[in-house]
Amino acid sequence: AQSVAQPEDQVNVAEGNPLTVKCTYSVSGNPYLFWYVQYPNRGLQFLLKYITGDNLVKGSYGFEAEFNKSQTSFHLKKPSALVSDSALYFCAVRDKGGGSQGNLIFGKGTKLSVKP
Amino acid sequence: DTGVSQDPRHKITKRGQNVTFRCDPISEHNRLYWYRQTLGQGPEFLTYFQNEAQLEKSRLLSDRFSAERPKGSFSTLEIQRTEQGDSAMYLCASSLAGTGGAVGTDTQYFGPGTRLTVL
Repeated sequence: AQSVAQPEDQVNVAEGNPLTVKCTYSVSGNPYLFWYVQYPNRGLQFLLKYITGDNLVKGSYGFEAEFNKSQTSFHLKKPSALVSDSALYFCAVRDKGGGSQGNLIFGKGTKLSVKP
Repeated sequence: DTGVSQDPRHKITKRGQNVTFRCDPISEHNRLYWYRQTLGQGPEFLTYFQNEAQLEKSRLLSDRFSAERPKGSFSTLEIQRTEQGDSAMYLCASSLAGTGGAVGTDTQYFGPGTRLTVL
């Protein structure tokens, strides 16, 4: 069965420092991986996705993610964090098991806190 | 705004009552998904439609839940005889599944959600 793990409930970073939000996955076959961000009382906003090709994927708001097949990871990164990046971040994998073709399987989320 | 919209944004109801939520997807999107999110958890899949056809339902979708997407446009999610355990954020997402990309590569865009509180 497909699954996603976000090992950190919370990540604290100082503004201007690089940030990393970790994600590992377990899938059968080639993974389709996604990152979303959720601000308080709002829906999820798409940041980026990995389907195939370059292992480094660039997305919205200066975020990028590195796909590592050998470590089954898809960590989200940003070179210089902003206070406005503080939010809840979700990693997701596309469910391709049991004939499913549609839904996303999400991790539990990581709360990112960027301090001035 | 041409994003996914959901109505209402908040719903408070008493146990045993029926509730209905509406989702309007991005206009050209042919796929529509419903998810449920509880506090401290990621969204969990409930069901999805391709055009008007409901193609998949999660085991989370009990008999008290029903979803429709008449004419392949907006969708409704109804919960009958609500229970306190139904309290959650109900999220709708839509995507454009074309013929060019591989299955599952389309990006889902989410609405703001409907927060349900069952007293």
